[in-house]
Formats: sequence, C-alpha cells, structure tokens
Amino acid sequence: DTAVSQTPKYLVTQMGNDKSIKCEQNLGHDTMYWYKQDSKKFLKIMFSYNNKELIINETVPNRFSPKSPDKAHLNLHINSLELGDSAVYFCASSQTGYSPLHFGNGTRLTVT
Amino acid sequence: QKEVEQNSGPLSVPEGAIASLNCTYSDRGSQSFFWYRQYSGKSPELIMSIYSNGDKEDGRFTAQLNKASQYVSLLIRDSQPSDSATYLCAVRSSGGSNYKLTFGKGTLLTVNP
Repeated sequence: DTAVSQTPKYLVTQMGNDKSIKCEQNLGHDTMYWYKQDSKKFLKIMFSYNNKELIINETVPNRFSPKSPDKAHLNLHINSLELGDSAVYFCASSQTGYSPLHFGNGTRLTVT
Repeated sequence: QKEVEQNSGPLSVPEGAIASLNCTYSDRGSQSFFWYRQYSGKSPELIMSIYSNGDKEDGRFTAQLNKASQYVSLLIRDSQPSDSATYLCAVRSSGGSNYKLTFGKGTLLTVNP
C-alpha cells in the first residue's frame, strides 16, 4: 500500500536517448511535484501540478516534459538525455498547496 | 530568488546530547515550515511542520520558529545513532508561488555512540 510510487527505481541510459519516469499516488492528494536531487544532495523543484493543471514550471530545459493524465498520476518524460541530467528524481504529493510533501522512493537516473 | 540557508555541517554530537539544527529563509511572507530527515540513499521523510511562532514539540524533536528573525530550528534531544542523517529545512513560498516548497541544502548530522 505504497503512498507515492515511482518507476523505475534505477535508470541507466546513454546520452541522446529519451526516457520516462512514472509516478502514482494513492493518497487522494490534489497536488503532485517533481524534484531533482543532484550529487550534492540539493533538492530542487522542477514542476508542480494541482488537479492536472501545471502550477509551477521552474527553469527546466524544454527537454523535460511532465504529463498528468489524472490527479493521481504525474509522469516525467526526458528527451535527448545529457550527462548533466544524471541525478535522483523524486516525485511527491501533497493534500493541498499548503500541506507537507510526501515523497516517492526516487528514481536514480544515470546517463553515460 | 527566495532562498533557504542551512549550515551544511557535518554536525557531530555524542549519543544522548542535544543536536541543534538551524535554518534561515529570505521570503518574509512564508507561512509554512517543515523539517525533513533523509537517510543516505532514501527519500526525505517529514519530521515536523510548524506554522506559527514559538515552539512545537513531538517526542524528542522540537521545532522553533521566529518569523521576525526569519529563522527556524530543530532540536533533537537524547540524540541516538539512528538519528544520523541529513536534515532538510523546507519553506513554503508565499503569494502566487505557494505551491513551491523550497529546500535548504541540508545539514548532515552524525551521532557518535
């Protein structure tokens, strides 16, 4: 009964490839997020969706495209992967825009 | 740019001592403040949330908030080796960007047996 689940857990791919990460939450929350944690452990917001609507789109390359088919799912598609995209990507959800975040287990992306 | 600053540490305390973790933030209108704990290779987990000035206690953890000084802290009493982790301060932005939770870079805490 995992609350926020991401797949895959590990993703190893070559430069130039396209990959997707999926996220699902069963908490009934309205808001979902993608965060990137770099090698120095700095956790930085990428996107936020509220009820399938894009609320926050930080300065992220256009190669990153989130999609929310419904409020329980938020996927992240990355085109033309670069070495600098290597990081851990966390999906999270919150009941409202003011509530604390609940994180998924993360997807460790390695681009070679 | 709204920022959250933490002392990166590492902070090392002996078992049984009080560990004190500090955080300052730049957005004066912020209303929601959170402390997360992250073990190596794991996801952040919520420890405390605090919304008004003063202290909030939960077991061995006490969060302290001073909005005038734009300062929030976390005290861990009777520190245990299992408390060794990175502690992340997070602040909810005010106004139109209140869906944005900004994290500090974290403080690495080591509790020595």
